[in-house]
Amino acid sequence: DGGITQSPKYLFRKEGQNVTLSCEQNLNHDAMYWYRQDPGQGLRLIYYSQIVNDFQKGDIAEGYSVSREKKESFPLTVTSAQKNPTAFYLCASSLGSGLGFTSSYNEQFFGPGTRLTVL
Amino acid sequence: SQQGEEDPQALSIQEGENATMNCSYKTSINNLQWYRQNSGRGLVHLILIRSNEREKHSGRLRVTLDTSKKSSSLLITASRAADTASYFCATARALIYNQGGKLIFGQGTELSVKP
Repeated sequence: DGGITQSPKYLFRKEGQNVTLSCEQNLNHDAMYWYRQDPGQGLRLIYYSQIVNDFQKGDIAEGYSVSREKKESFPLTVTSAQKNPTAFYLCASSLGSGLGFTSSYNEQFFGPGTRLTVL
Repeated sequence: SQQGEEDPQALSIQEGENATMNCSYKTSINNLQWYRQNSGRGLVHLILIRSNEREKHSGRLRVTLDTSKKSSSLLITASRAADTASYFCATARALIYNQGGKLIFGQGTELSVKP
């Protein structure tokens, strides 16, 4: 049963803590993405990776970090430097093209999301 | 930087009516995609239309693309209560903008279909 999973579904963070959100896919996709969604808003790109061991900053990367050590996994760490981390976080994946930079030309498959709340 | 802007922001219709949502964008694109999001869930891909295509159908969905006006529309025919969701357009920019690998999402249209 192929798909993309995120955990946990809900996450609570205290001020000054780093937290890591998990994203795993078994679709054999090269490209993976992290988005942030605030209430009533569209998606904003945090980081994306088009191939293992490589990733690029999106539009709102400050206060976040990622790694891509395995094709299946793209964890996101929300650091204490992120001043307003309360949001809904969505992970996605897509087929690559072999050329890397055209992975956006394919549809993206999304996970169910993680809702992060700062206490 | 949001490329897509959607109109209307919210739409409320009766079951059986058609729903039309519009999306405008600013730069040349390789393709435009529409996604659906149920409340509190992830997005689901609906349809992809390439820049050299003008119209595409999938079941009760009809998407048009006008590259001269930099706009697209999504039509849902004979709507059902289960169509209630937010709908987002997303653009994949042409390579000349060196933005390969990224989709740019609009703010979304919140559709409510009343039984």
